Amino acid sequence: AQKITQTQPGMFVQEKEAVTLDCTYDTSDQSYGLFWYKQPSSGEMIFLIYQGSYDEQNATEGRYSLNFQKARKSANLVISASQLGDSAMYFCAMREGRNTGGFKTIFGAGTRLFVKA
Amino acid sequence: DTEVTQTPKHLVMGMTNKKSLKCEQHMGHRAMYWYKQKAKKPPELMFVYSYEKLSINESVPSRFSPECPNSSLLNLHLHALQPEDSALYLCASSLQGNYGYTFGSGTRLTVV
Repeated sequence: AQKITQTQPGMFVQEKEAVTLDCTYDTSDQSYGLFWYKQPSSGEMIFLIYQGSYDEQNATEGRYSLNFQKARKSANLVISASQLGDSAMYFCAMREGRNTGGFKTIFGAGTRLFVKA
Repeated sequence: DTEVTQTPKHLVMGMTNKKSLKCEQHMGHRAMYWYKQKAKKPPELMFVYSYEKLSINESVPSRFSPECPNSSLLNLHLHALQPEDSALYLCASSLQGNYGYTFGSGTRLTVV
């Protein structure tokens, strides 16, 4: 069965510094996708970044980059130049399987990030 | 239009009531999802619809009944809920394939 593990319940970072949020996963599938989502206190989930299991390059989206280490089954999120608005809950997620129309995405427990001024 | 709209935003219902949650998107996404999220927990998948057909039901109790009347609309019918069903219900949609989901802002449900 697939599993996502986020071991950092809470993280603090100084404004303008970089921070890494850890994520490890477990799956027996060869084809899968890894995602990061942000959930502010308002409740809405915001998609940040995606990494496919066959992608050789690490994904980047603006200030977000995904450090993908396939052999170690890790998919850490790096946020550069943190801003106060980055304070939120961050979820790592994994989608398993091919595009057969019936795919599942499961979420890790989340990491609460606090950005200090 | 790049959003998923959920209504209502808040709902309080008694255990004998019947209510429905509504989710709408006009992005041409053919996969739609219902998730349930308890406080300080990750979202838990309930249902997946693909091309308007139910493709995944994560062993959800029958007091939750999903419906997909067309490619833009997803409903969740609620009947005889329990207080432990109180949660944030999130709807999401996506293109097929490896794309991130677009989530709605959720319906915060309280069962009394």
